[in-house]
Amino acid sequence: DSGVTQTPKHLITATGQRVTLRCSPRSGDLSVYWYQQSLDQGLQFLIQYYNGEERAKGNILERFSAQQFPDLHSELNLSSLELGDSALYFCASSVGRAPTSDLFFGSGTQLSVL
Amino acid sequence: AQSVTQLGSHVSVSEGALVLLRCNYSSSVPPYLFWYVQYPNQGLQLLLKYTSAATLVKGINGFEAEFKKSETSFHLTKPSAHMSDAAEYFCAVSDYNNDMRFGAGTRLTVKP
Repeated sequence: DSGVTQTPKHLITATGQRVTLRCSPRSGDLSVYWYQQSLDQGLQFLIQYYNGEERAKGNILERFSAQQFPDLHSELNLSSLELGDSALYFCASSVGRAPTSDLFFGSGTQLSVL
Repeated sequence: AQSVTQLGSHVSVSEGALVLLRCNYSSSVPPYLFWYVQYPNQGLQLLLKYTSAATLVKGINGFEAEFKKSETSFHLTKPSAHMSDAAEYFCAVSDYNNDMRFGAGTRLTVKP
């Protein structure tokens, strides 16, 4: 158990809908990262937050947004969903914001867009 | 932007044989390099990382990797494969901007 909690584990929805994925980092970790894993794109970095502020941005679509709350949990919002958004979404956390910080991954949320 | 290429999407070895998973990186600045392992239905777990200290890095579960700047490589090895090593392995590179890029992954199968 990495200590990172992601909910829900599975999510099935329809095209055009909006969903929210939730992540609780390990106790004491200030950084949260979001990744998307799909068969055709592999593991893609989406975004990182450190202590409530956006720290780094990767291949995140404009239809997607995220935030980190004062209690350090994070939410990833996906809107106007398309079939191609079906993927496994991972959250990871680390103590610091440095690129050498160890990342601890949650078990992921499997999103299926029908 | 930095990137990594993992050679071989599938590698199969016999139990007790050498494991060699290949990773080459591309980076315009000194890179930070990582190997992660993903077991079925689980998230990724850090095996080891290179952060510009010793070029030979030892990780968990008997794995190690050597940073070779001249070859832009960071191959992962283990002298003797165990059945429990069967998983997907990801090489990753990061720079000071914290944008970590993962390779496509190599699925390791261990035959009895």
